[in-house]
Amino acid sequence: GAVVSQHPSWVICKSGTSVKIECRSLDFQATTMFWYRQFPKQSLMLMATSNEGSKATYEQGVEKDKFLINHASLTLSTLTVTSAHPEDSSFYICSARPHTGPSSYNSPLHFGNGTRLTVT
Amino acid sequence: AQSVTQPDIHITVSEGASLELRCNYSYGATPYLFWYVQSPGQGLQLLLKYFSGDTLVQGIKGFEAEFKRSQSSFNLRKPSVHWSDAAEYFCAVGLYSSASKIIFGSGTRLSIRP
Repeated sequence: GAVVSQHPSWVICKSGTSVKIECRSLDFQATTMFWYRQFPKQSLMLMATSNEGSKATYEQGVEKDKFLINHASLTLSTLTVTSAHPEDSSFYICSARPHTGPSSYNSPLHFGNGTRLTVT
Repeated sequence: AQSVTQPDIHITVSEGASLELRCNYSYGATPYLFWYVQSPGQGLQLLLKYFSGDTLVQGIKGFEAEFKRSQSSFNLRKPSVHWSDAAEYFCAVGLYSSASKIIFGSGTRLSIRP
């Protein structure tokens, strides 16, 4: 159980175009999902917290107009990289936590398999 | 500020040998601690977690970790590694005050010598 599906697993796009990445919780509901970015051989950096039905909360230094996040339902969050440039090339990973009530904060996060974005 | 330190960037051990990956954290309260493993080009898989109680926690794949408050450490151990254990390992701390926000360490890459 607790599977998080991320799509696509890899994408190549031209500079200036926009790319949408989907994150779905397949067998549980998630009011909160998280988007991370990982550079080669580096750790995961939290980009933003995606909240169902409300605006995402972005970490300091992350451009909200550049990385658009939509959490339209309890099982789907999307990250759109707008006007992508080569420096946006990275590995993007989403995570979600099963919503199990007031004490759900101690439930572990479940991660998608990531999306490799290459901007040419 | 909260932080997680993994002092070893890369470790190589022989198959069948024991393993210990180090993790130190900085956090004002008792943290929620995790170890995740990442295979190349893949997402993260939870190995084990500590929230409270017994300071020695058992995880999947034969891994265990011990929370030592006095040393602010949460080292990961395995008595005998297998070639399939080669991967990147991340220690992470969950911030209670920030819901599920998790801060990751820089990771330790584990290589297995045949």
